[in-house]
Amino acid sequence: AQTVTQSQPEMSVQEAETVTLSCTYDTSENNYYLFWYKQPPSRQMILVIRQEAYKQQNATENRFSVNFQKAAKSFSLKISDSQLGDTAMYFCAFIIIQGAQKLVFGQGTRLTINP
Amino acid sequence: NAGVMQNPRHLVRRRGQEARLRCSPMKGHSHVYWYRQLPEEGLKFMVYLQKENIIDESGMPKERFSAEFPKEGPSILRIQQVVRGDSAAYFCASSPPYGTGANVLTFGAGSRLTVL
Repeated sequence: AQTVTQSQPEMSVQEAETVTLSCTYDTSENNYYLFWYKQPPSRQMILVIRQEAYKQQNATENRFSVNFQKAAKSFSLKISDSQLGDTAMYFCAFIIIQGAQKLVFGQGTRLTINP
Repeated sequence: NAGVMQNPRHLVRRRGQEARLRCSPMKGHSHVYWYRQLPEEGLKFMVYLQKENIIDESGMPKERFSAEFPKEGPSILRIQQVVRGDSAAYFCASSPPYGTGANVLTFGAGSRLTVL
């Protein structure tokens, strides 16, 4: 079975702090992409960052970076210098390359950035 | 370049009525996906379509739900005889047909269905 687990239902930090959201996944496939999506109160699903599983180098996108541990099937998201606009639900997901084109999502982590 | 367009954003139906949700993919995208999000949950895959073809409908409920992506016009997710349990946000996503972008889905803003 292909699953994604986000063990932190809610997190809260002060503005400008750094926060790390955890994600583990399970798949028997070797070639896949991993994603973090952000869903603000508007409900729009916004792609934050992606990682190709065949790349060892961790992806970064401005204040967002990941810690990808393929052997451990772990894919955490670090947000540096957090901003009020980062308040949202964050979903971890993966898709098998050349597979069935199904994104498998975790349950989400509700992140609140406090002023 | 408009993104993935979904309408209506909000739809209210009474039990037993039909709901139709529409999705226009991004320009150049020929693959469309529908996902459902129940309250406080992640998105769950429903169906994957290309023009005039259903590629994978393994996430669709066996009854009352259908999807199409005709040669012309938007993709339609149709729910017949709605029940309260169908209340959810329905998201459409699209991707290009090939290349690395084929595995990166762009989502619409979703359609929230409320069944009274």
